[in-house]
Amino acid sequence: QLQLQESGPGLVKPSETLSLTCSVSGGSISSSSDYWGWIRQPPGKGLEWIGSIYYSGSTYYNPSLKSRVTMSLDTSKNQFSLKLSSVTAADTAMYYCARDDSGPPQAMIDSWGQGTLVTVSS
Amino acid sequence: DIQMTQSPSSLSASVGDRVTITCRASQSISRYLNWYQHKPGKPPKLLIYAAFILQSGVPSRFSGGGSGTDFTLTISSLQPEDFATYYCQQSYSNPQISFGGGTKVEIK
Repeated sequence: QLQLQESGPGLVKPSETLSLTCSVSGGSISSSSDYWGWIRQPPGKGLEWIGSIYYSGSTYYNPSLKSRVTMSLDTSKNQFSLKLSSVTAADTAMYYCARDDSGPPQAMIDSWGQGTLVTVSS
Repeated sequence: DIQMTQSPSSLSASVGDRVTITCRASQSISRYLNWYQHKPGKPPKLLIYAAFILQSGVPSRFSGGGSGTDFTLTISSLQPEDFATYYCQQSYSNPQISFGGGTKVEIK
């Protein structure tokens, strides 16, 4: 059974870079049928897709965050990571890592980490 | 970018009620539409994919419909464990996905 686990600081100062890692077990991030993504939920708001990365290293980012987001893979550790630069209070959110199974029959997010709360505050 | 709009943003219903949530896409997405249930303190759970296919283990009181730009999620008889927030998500432009704003189903 695939399991994902987020890790990283729970508190980040404004203007600094948020860094999170997702450790994957029970499956390989080198699978050609999967994308690996980050999704967040600010307090009291809905889900927002941040970005996704393919096993080849190709990345896809939400246009609204693209200038601040970097995602990477570490296949030797079966992990993928998120960096979000120049954070503000608006980046305070629960951050989830997830698997986007591209199918067939269709793409769906069928596995999620438990989420990690990141607060941006001085 | 494909924008997803859900309605209503919240609703109050009683156990046993039939509940329908609507999701509209800003362009045609065929049936590339998924539904998730999200409860506080837990990650979202996939309920339906490809607009109408029930994920394994999901009760049959949940059903999905629609194609093109307009979609629905129906709970035929609301149960206590169904009180949650529901999100639609388009996978037409996968992996560049987008979610609807969510519909919170509350107890009346």
